[in-house]
Amino acid sequence: QVQLVQSGAEVKKPGASVKVSCKASGYSFTSYVIHWVRQAPGQRLEWMGWINPGNGNTKHSEKFQGRVTIISDTSASTAYMELNSLRSEDTAVYYCARATTIFGVAPLDNWGQGTLVTVSS
Amino acid sequence: QSALTQPASVSGSPGQSITISCIGTSSDVGNYNYVSWYQQHPGKAPKLIIYDVSKRPSGVSSRFSGSKSGNTASLTISGLQAEDEADYYCSSYTSTSSWVFGGGSKLAVL
Repeated sequence: QVQLVQSGAEVKKPGASVKVSCKASGYSFTSYVIHWVRQAPGQRLEWMGWINPGNGNTKHSEKFQGRVTIISDTSASTAYMELNSLRSEDTAVYYCARATTIFGVAPLDNWGQGTLVTVSS
Repeated sequence: QSALTQPASVSGSPGQSITISCIGTSSDVGNYNYVSWYQQHPGKAPKLIIYDVSKRPSGVSSRFSGSKSGNTASLTISGLQAEDEADYYCSSYTSTSSWVFGGGSKLAVL
């Protein structure tokens, strides 16, 4: 079955960077887009960006332009999201989610368990 | 990209039907039939319940249905059950090839 397993919780200081991993299994990794979505405590879901592991193409939310990097390692069937210049407002649960196809318009039918990133001095 | 507008809370009694609205713009909901709805229980990851405005993934109850008119999408849950109590989020593809979520609606089954 499709599984997305994310790396563990992180605590970072303001100004630092965090890199969250998302290991996929149970399907062809290069055939489906992977998205990153975050959720601050008690807040709404917020879309961050996606990557097409088949060709490495990415698209980011304008809000995170310049601060977020999304990559994939096809040999490891793993996607990564790195967020730089962390501030307290970046404290959130970060989810990876697989789309239903390789196209950017496809919805998200499988989600990772989430990774809590806490930014605190 | 501003968040889509949803009511903060909705409520209904078991067996009743409720509808959650999701208001966007001509750059997202109004221009694309790529509207999805997600159900999220506390402490859990979201679950896809409606995609492409009105399609249901395999395994999702037929009590969930979706529709769209202009810039407004809607999720209807019929025959409310206690387990439907959760947060519901709409999302839409946008003209900038990105996605936007709604603010979320908390459903209380009274």
